[in-house]
Amino acid sequence: NAGVTQTPKFQVLKTGQSMTLQCAQDMNHEYMSWYRQDPGMGLRLIHYSVGAGITDQGEVPNGYNVSRSTTEDFPLRLLSAAPSQTSVYFCASSYSRANYGYTFGSGTRLTVV
Amino acid sequence: KQEVTQIPAALSVPEGENLVLNCSFTDSAIYNLQWFRQDPGKGLTSLLLIQSSQREQTSGRLNASLDKSSGRSTLYIAASQPGDSATYLCAPSGGYSTLTFGKGTMLLVSP
Repeated sequence: NAGVTQTPKFQVLKTGQSMTLQCAQDMNHEYMSWYRQDPGMGLRLIHYSVGAGITDQGEVPNGYNVSRSTTEDFPLRLLSAAPSQTSVYFCASSYSRANYGYTFGSGTRLTVV
Repeated sequence: KQEVTQIPAALSVPEGENLVLNCSFTDSAIYNLQWFRQDPGKGLTSLLLIQSSQREQTSGRLNASLDKSSGRSTLYIAASQPGDSATYLCAPSGGYSTLTFGKGTMLLVSP
């Protein structure tokens, strides 16, 4: 049981490049979310999904796209990377039941130069 | 919009002390509240989950309480140890169980 797996762990991009951050969970969780963590800002919600085929925007969605074609995977796409997207990105998943908490991945540290 | 405040922002104590970390939130319409621990450069580890209908939850030396009506939660750490040094994050869950995070309390326990 691997939990929530994020790849890559580290990435350096040039401004304007695109890339996809991968997130996979093997717990059959309905809910999945992406957060970014910046110094002094705490963790902020980018996008979330309540099930396959259903996604919605969080607090800071601009510059990011998501899709959820399977229950297991929830990739985050950066369309045209900007230095302001330098951050640590965390993926999390949970069952839809209210008495269940979230499990987080180990994060992807992204630097845009 | 939910806003979460954690006090104190940083705390430094000698080993063995009992600690209280505070969390307040503005919207009491929550499903549950999670406390997490984050070590430097690492991911988040869930410590405790309190349902909105519960008053407290315990795990080992950790005890978390929830007063939903007043928008407050407290994490109590008994007999602190150097291994407890980390940042502690409070996160109430709202619509579709999405989490809103405070900025955390950075704890340093010295031997």
